[in-house]
Amino acid sequence: EIVMTQSPATLSVSPGERATLSCRASQSVSSNLAWYQQKPGQAPRLLIYGASTRATGIPGRFSGSGSGTEFTLTISSLQSEDFAVYYCQQYNNWPLTFGGGTKVEIK
Amino acid sequence: EVQLLESGGGLVQPGGSLRLSCAGSGFTFSNYAMAWVRQAPGKGLEWVSSIGNFGGSISYADSVKGRFTISRDNSKNTLYLQMTSLRAEDTAAYFCAIKILGSYPFESWGQGAQVTVSS
Repeated sequence: EIVMTQSPATLSVSPGERATLSCRASQSVSSNLAWYQQKPGQAPRLLIYGASTRATGIPGRFSGSGSGTEFTLTISSLQSEDFAVYYCQQYNNWPLTFGGGTKVEIK
Repeated sequence: EVQLLESGGGLVQPGGSLRLSCAGSGFTFSNYAMAWVRQAPGKGLEWVSSIGNFGGSISYADSVKGRFTISRDNSKNTLYLQMTSLRAEDTAAYFCAIKILGSYPFESWGQGAQVTVSS
């Protein structure tokens, strides 16, 4: 099983600032990596797939990078609606696995 | 607009059974593989099971293998998860999600059905 490790667990950021979230895979997942956003009481929403492709309707302030085992989600200028938990997920190998999440909170 | 609506959740005793349903609309149901993903209270996401477009390509997480059965009825645009021998650790919100068969992410998710296993 591929273990996905996200860091930090919590990120405190002021509105308008940049946020950088990391995700590491225990073995290569190529570019088969997605990022999801989840707000309290809501379902996850797909943000990024293929490590760097924004899903339909996702604002340009969200960007993804990386391949192999190291990945990054960057939110260039945090808006109030961006404070949430973010999960990475690999879909290269079974079982499909998620990282533990990074909570982005208001500083 | 893609809509996925889960139903069938509730409170069940340890060792009991429950069947979840997920009704899809706004898309061609048979064009997509589907999956169940769960989230224990205050915890992260855990993939549970997946099924291909026409009922093949079934996979389960080790934690539910032999106890849960995934199925779908394309004529009813509905995905199912039959859960038996339920344990306290199965307590979670269960989300259904759609994906393209193969190495693709979960494109859309339902709002979830709560399953609580407790005596």
